[in-house]
Amino acid sequence: DARVTQTPRHKVTEMGQEVTMRCQPILGHNTVFWYRQTMMQGLELLAYFRNRAPLDDSGMPKDRFSAEMPDATLATLKIQPSEPRDSAVYFCASGLGTGLGSGANVLTFGAGSRLTVL
Amino acid sequence: AQSVSQHNHHVILSEAASLELGCNYSYGGTVNLFWYVQYPGQHLQLLLKYFSGDPLVKGIKGFEAEFIKSKFSFNLRKPSVQWSDTAEYFCAVSGAGNNRKLIWGLGTSLAVNP
Repeated sequence: DARVTQTPRHKVTEMGQEVTMRCQPILGHNTVFWYRQTMMQGLELLAYFRNRAPLDDSGMPKDRFSAEMPDATLATLKIQPSEPRDSAVYFCASGLGTGLGSGANVLTFGAGSRLTVL
Repeated sequence: AQSVSQHNHHVILSEAASLELGCNYSYGGTVNLFWYVQYPGQHLQLLLKYFSGDPLVKGIKGFEAEFIKSKFSFNLRKPSVQWSDTAEYFCAVSGAGNNRKLIWGLGTSLAVNP
């Protein structure tokens, strides 16, 4: 089965430290999403890439968060400096968007990175 | 404003009971509709989707959903639930076509007692 791979699975860090989460989308998928999931807010879209270009990062706090796709096989989400309120599960998802349909929203999710900021 | 409302936040059923989870959306224009499921400790998985055609959509594991355009609804149903259906269920909507991000509901937590 093709899968989206995320690392690390778990991260515990102290406030102020830099955190980098990585995602390997499914080979051939051209859309990549970063979501944050918390009990209070549910699923929040942080950033969205299509063909490696950022299309929407309006949900991301710009002062401390950054998302990039250095190549088609790697997406990164960085938090610097981290704060306790960033504690959450961060999911990466990928999809295949074509000109004729809405496949971009048929998403395959990774297992998530559980971040705890003390 | 674009939004998805899942009315039931927590549902508790006994095995073999029938299930219906409500989902209503607010979105202008043609929509695509989705149900995703998240089993305990796992990632989200697509359960079923509606793009066009027959408004009654069948998904995996015996689930189905009906798109009722006049009611802006996409309720999820299963005639007989199993303990293994215990999970969080998310309804989502997007506009038709690409570059339309998903709008998510807050989820419904389903617990099935054996």
